[in-house]
Amino acid sequence: RKEVEQDPGPFNVPEGATVAFNCTYSNSASQSFFWYRQDCRKEPKLLMSVYSSGNEDGRFTAQLNRASQYISLLIRDSKLSDSATYLCVVNTGTASKLTFGTGTRLQVTL
Amino acid sequence: GAGVSQSPSNKVTEKGKDVELRCDPISGHTALYWYRQRLGQGLEFLIYFQGNSAPDKSGLPSDRFSAERTGESVSTLTIQRTQQEDSAVYLCASSREYNNEQFFGPGTRLTVL
Repeated sequence: RKEVEQDPGPFNVPEGATVAFNCTYSNSASQSFFWYRQDCRKEPKLLMSVYSSGNEDGRFTAQLNRASQYISLLIRDSKLSDSATYLCVVNTGTASKLTFGTGTRLQVTL
Repeated sequence: GAGVSQSPSNKVTEKGKDVELRCDPISGHTALYWYRQRLGQGLEFLIYFQGNSAPDKSGLPSDRFSAERTGESVSTLTIQRTQQEDSAVYLCASSREYNNEQFFGPGTRLTVL
């Protein structure tokens, strides 16, 4: 089983739609969780950290479910500019690095 | 302030040649990371530095790959005797401390002919 797994997509949604991505992780000792965004042929950029109690930043909501070992990202009122690949990132517990998922591609259309 | 910078932005080399990729992290960031991303693939961890030390080199794919960091600042990733499968974007990131938010540089696109 991969340390961090994501549905690669693509998710094709119309502008204004709500879309959600899940990401599962295998190491129950994982402590830090993040969502990064990567535009085509660009470097990844931090979108938001994921806190145990869940957190919101404008149209974006992140949730953590430790019991089921997954994190989620919800995007409300999708914009064309949200089109990108969303990377799930997990501190894999005793490992000395962050592990990146392969990403979920989102395409928002008119 | 300045972000993470990498040079060169693009490098085309012939199979068998050595290449050096440079990363300048954000000033004051103690942790520095190297990743590789092949076309259409996810990020592949290579190595990370805490200060000038590399506690985890587990991601280096072969002994042709090496990296160093000096002055708790600049890092160089060296690939010896390049192979075509080394073609990828090499991304560097830095963070204030280990496992804090990582800020990425724009990457070096390496093409091995």
